[in-house]
Formats: sequence, structure tokens, C-alpha cells
Amino acid sequence: QVQLVESGGGVVQPGRSLRLSCATSGFTFSSYGMHWVRQAPGKGLEWVAVMSSDGTNRYYADSVKGRFTISGDTSKNTLYLQMNSLGPEDTGVYYCARDFRRLFDYWGQGTLVSVSS
Amino acid sequence: QSVLTQPPSASGTPGQRVTISCSGSSSNIGSNTVNWYQHLPGTAPKLLIYSNNQRPSGVPDRFSGSKSGTSTSLAISGLQSEDEAEYYCATWHDSMNGPVFGGGTKLTVL
Repeated sequence: QVQLVESGGGVVQPGRSLRLSCATSGFTFSSYGMHWVRQAPGKGLEWVAVMSSDGTNRYYADSVKGRFTISGDTSKNTLYLQMNSLGPEDTGVYYCARDFRRLFDYWGQGTLVSVSS
Repeated sequence: QSVLTQPPSASGTPGQRVTISCSGSSSNIGSNTVNWYQHLPGTAPKLLIYSNNQRPSGVPDRFSGSKSGTSTSLAISGLQSEDEAEYYCATWHDSMNGPVFGGGTKLTVL
């Protein structure tokens, strides 16, 4: 069955970097676009970034553009999110999700990122 | 502030029918299909309705969706305690090359 498992979250100081991973299984990773979505404490879901199935197209929310980079390793069936220049506003649970015709048909359980001094 | 507008809360008693609204504009809901997600705290969000009114396999027919113009709604009939969750509408935003979400509606089963 399809599984998405995020990891890499933790506590980090403002201005530092963190890399999240999303290990996938149960489907052909290179055949699907993949997204990152986050939820700040007490807030709703916010889309963060998307990478197309072939990795050539990558788009970002304005709030993370220039600081975050989405990437993937097809040999490991793993999606990544490199997060630089982190600020308190980046605190939240980060989910990876599989794209199917512009909707999210499978999600991971999420990994918590806390940006605090 | 979310691009799509949902009421922050809704409630009902077991067996009742509740409706959650979601409004947008011509650049989002008005020109794309809408999906609904159910999210229980600490769990992975789940696709509940896609393409305005379609249910994925395994979703009970108690859940239904509809769309008219720039507004959409999710209806839950025969409310059950396990329906207590946060519900989000979402649609594609062409200029962003990504989706936009509603702010979420917390459903309480009294």
C-alpha cells in the first residue's frame, strides 16, 4: 500500500537550516508529483511547494520562495525539503503529499518543526 | 488569512445533517474543481471529496459535496461521533501553480 513517512523535524534556532525527508513506498515515485504542506500551531493547512513527477518543474508559496528548496531522489523514492533562513513563522507540522491530478490523494503523518531561540 | 473562506466552526448532534460552506473567487473556485479534506489531530489528512462531488473509494455516502459558481459546500448526513474533525476545502490556483486551502472548519459532534 502507499506509504509516506516524514522525518527530519526538530527544534532549530532562527536563521538556521533544516532538511526534511519523506520516504515513500507502494508506488512508482517518479510517476507522481509531490507536495509539501504545513500547518502552523492553531492555524490551517498551507501549501508550501510542489515538484513535478520528472523533477523539472518546482513551484513554491510566496512565503518560502528563495528560502526553501524541494527535491527528490528517485533511487531512494524520497522527497526532500531543504529549509534555510528559518524563522518563527516556519514553525509547524510539515506533511508530504502525493499529487494526483492536482489533488492530494495520500499524505504522510507529518514531522514537527519548531523554530525557537 | 486564507484565500478560501470557511466558517471556523460547525456543530451538530448524532444523526443530524450539517453543511460546511467554502467561498472563493472566479480565479480559484470559479475556474477549478474543489476538493475536501478531513483532518483529525495527529493524523494524516484524508481526501474526502474530489472534483466537487466525487467520493474516493471507502468514503461513506454520508459525505457529499456540491459547487455553484464561486462557492462550494460539504454536507455530512447521519452525523457520527467519529466525524468530529477539521475539514478543509481546497482548489488549484493557476497563478501560484499550487493549491489554496480554506481556513478549516472544526466540526464538533455534541
